Amino acid sequence: DGGITQSPKYLFRKEGQNVTLSCEQNLNHDAMYWYRQDPGQGLRLIYYSQIVNDFQKGDIAEGYSVSREKKESFPLTVTSAQKNPTAFYLCASTSGGSTDTQYFGPGTRLTVL
Amino acid sequence: GENVEQHPSTLSVQEGDSAVIKCTYSDSASNYFPWYKQELGKRPQLIIDIRSNVGEKKDQRIAVTLNKTAKHFSLHITETQPEDSAVYFCAASMGSNYQLIWGAGTKLIIKP
Repeated sequence: DGGITQSPKYLFRKEGQNVTLSCEQNLNHDAMYWYRQDPGQGLRLIYYSQIVNDFQKGDIAEGYSVSREKKESFPLTVTSAQKNPTAFYLCASTSGGSTDTQYFGPGTRLTVL
Repeated sequence: GENVEQHPSTLSVQEGDSAVIKCTYSDSASNYFPWYKQELGKRPQLIIDIRSNVGEKKDQRIAVTLNKTAKHFSLHITETQPEDSAVYFCAASMGSNYQLIWGAGTKLIIKP
């Protein structure tokens, strides 16, 4: 299960706070993704990046922001504008595009208090 | 809009029997259809995938079939074992950038 890591495993946020979730990979993958997973629903794409210094919005980007300053790192910030942020967040990477095998991190469970 | 429907949401089968999970997709241009398995508390992992130029693919006890005309694809697990218990997700590549759209998941329960 090594290769892509996320931290922290659990995160608690007060309303009005911004929090940043870490995602790091040592697979030398070009593309990285952030998904949100809610109970009874599939994974929903928040943001993705196919190359350093470039990223695109997914289906549910509102209230989130990302950066891709290094190939290995793709942090996700959940801003106070995200009205319902409590969820399980998964980071993934692929060597090529979205039609290659996605390797997932262990996830971060975010809870808003 | 772009969507993937997955059925059933829960499937309970006797150990040793077969399990079938079906997904339908909306975009006829979709060309990639993976299946991921997520065990409780763990990350999703690819178990099998199929591309639009192939109708069926097998890997030991697991197979996936694709019907492009009907826009559906199915996961077949034969001789189910307790370690097959998990949530299974299907996905299909859609849109101008062919990003994956995911089904809602099927919880597979293997009864001893």
